[in-house]
Amino acid sequence: SAVISQKPSRDICQRGTSLTIQCQVDSQVTMMFWYRQQPGQSLTLIATANQGSEATYESGFVIDKFPISRPNLTFSTLTVSNMSPEDSSIYLCSVSQLNTEAFFGQGTRLTVV
Amino acid sequence: AQSVAQPEDQVNVAEGNPLTVKCTYSVSGNPYLFWYVQYPNRGLQFLLKYITGDNLVKGSYGFEAEFNKSQTSFHLKKPSALVSDSALYFCAVRDCGNTDKLIFGTGTRLQVFP
Repeated sequence: SAVISQKPSRDICQRGTSLTIQCQVDSQVTMMFWYRQQPGQSLTLIATANQGSEATYESGFVIDKFPISRPNLTFSTLTVSNMSPEDSSIYLCSVSQLNTEAFFGQGTRLTVV
Repeated sequence: AQSVAQPEDQVNVAEGNPLTVKCTYSVSGNPYLFWYVQYPNRGLQFLLKYITGDNLVKGSYGFEAEFNKSQTSFHLKKPSALVSDSALYFCAVRDCGNTDKLIFGTGTRLQVFP
């Protein structure tokens, strides 16, 4: 298993500002993902964070809004840019090795006011 | 496209009784299926998975799930529920291709009453 540290655990932000969420893993992992869980809903994949190259975004998510970095095999960041109240969600980092189960960070609860 | 469905938004069970949380899947090819649990203000915790092999999969905290190919189901079960099992449960399927992306069901809230 992997130990994932995600921070901040929660934040309250003003609309129009940006927040960067960090995800640190205690071991090198092949795959890192960012998910969003809107209030009372399931998880939706935002993007796959690729080491050394641009992230791969899912339909409905764009790099300008959710820029992602992955400088190495143990670390990634997700930025939520130009926030609006609709961005209020839990953002989760997930990691896995190929063909094994995925592990999740504890999530970042974001409230935009 | 791969998908999973959780038909029940909420399941209520008395402590000590058996519980079942339902999940059905739709996949092309062999399914890789997972169950995760989310406690309040926590991230997701892995419970169990089915990739191949025995249809009955045993996981964490006494949970098990039965893979049924003919019914395309992967229901989560526990013989005797605990109040501490109360949480949000997600069924998930791995996306197609050489990827570890997960597609989640809508979640089922399990409430176990003392």
